[in-house]
Amino acid sequence: EVQLVQSGAEVKKPGESLRISCKGFGYSFSAYWIGWVRQKPGKGLEWMGIIYPGDSDTIYSPSFQGQVSMSADKSSSTAYLQWSTLKASDTAKYYCARGLGEGEVKVYWGQGTLVTVSS
Amino acid sequence: QAVVTQEPSLTVSPGGTVTLTCGSSTGAVTSDHYPYWFQQKPGQAPKTMIYDTSNKHSWTPARFSGSLLGGKAALTLSGAQPEDEAEYYCLVSYNGTRSGIFGGGTKLTVL
Repeated sequence: EVQLVQSGAEVKKPGESLRISCKGFGYSFSAYWIGWVRQKPGKGLEWMGIIYPGDSDTIYSPSFQGQVSMSADKSSSTAYLQWSTLKASDTAKYYCARGLGEGEVKVYWGQGTLVTVSS
Repeated sequence: QAVVTQEPSLTVSPGGTVTLTCGSSTGAVTSDHYPYWFQQKPGQAPKTMIYDTSNKHSWTPARFSGSLLGGKAALTLSGAQPEDEAEYYCLVSYNGTRSGIFGGGTKLTVL
């Protein structure tokens, strides 16, 4: 069974750094693109970008280019989303999803990681 | 950047039929946009209902179907159930499949 398990909720202060994770189970982690999606409180879904764990090829949405960094570790079947300097406006739930960027394959979602940035 | 448009809200009676649509500011949505449909209930992660225009996940009830209709992607629910009440998001792919834009979501009420 395909599963994506994300790391737990985080509470951070503005200016701090953060890395959240998304671990894949039940499939060949290197073989599928993984996407990251932001959902601000009470708002809709936003496409942040995708990464191919096989070679770490990464494509960012223009809205998120330079704001976050995506990476993946094939050896641990884990994808990461990272901020170097958090802002209050980064407060949101972040989802990873296997298959975003593929078009013809089923998309499986992680359970989401809530990130709260507040002084 | 393109804008993907959905109806903000729709209401359907239990047992009734409703069609949600998903349009693109760049023109007609086609199969080359590999449209997806996701269901999200309050406090839950999105759940994929339809991918690649009309393909269903193993958990997608038969009453849901995806299609292209009048230049838009469409999600039709035939025989609505109370548990279908949710927010529905479409996703349209651009630049092949490596970029995507979500619609603003349709809040579907079953009443």
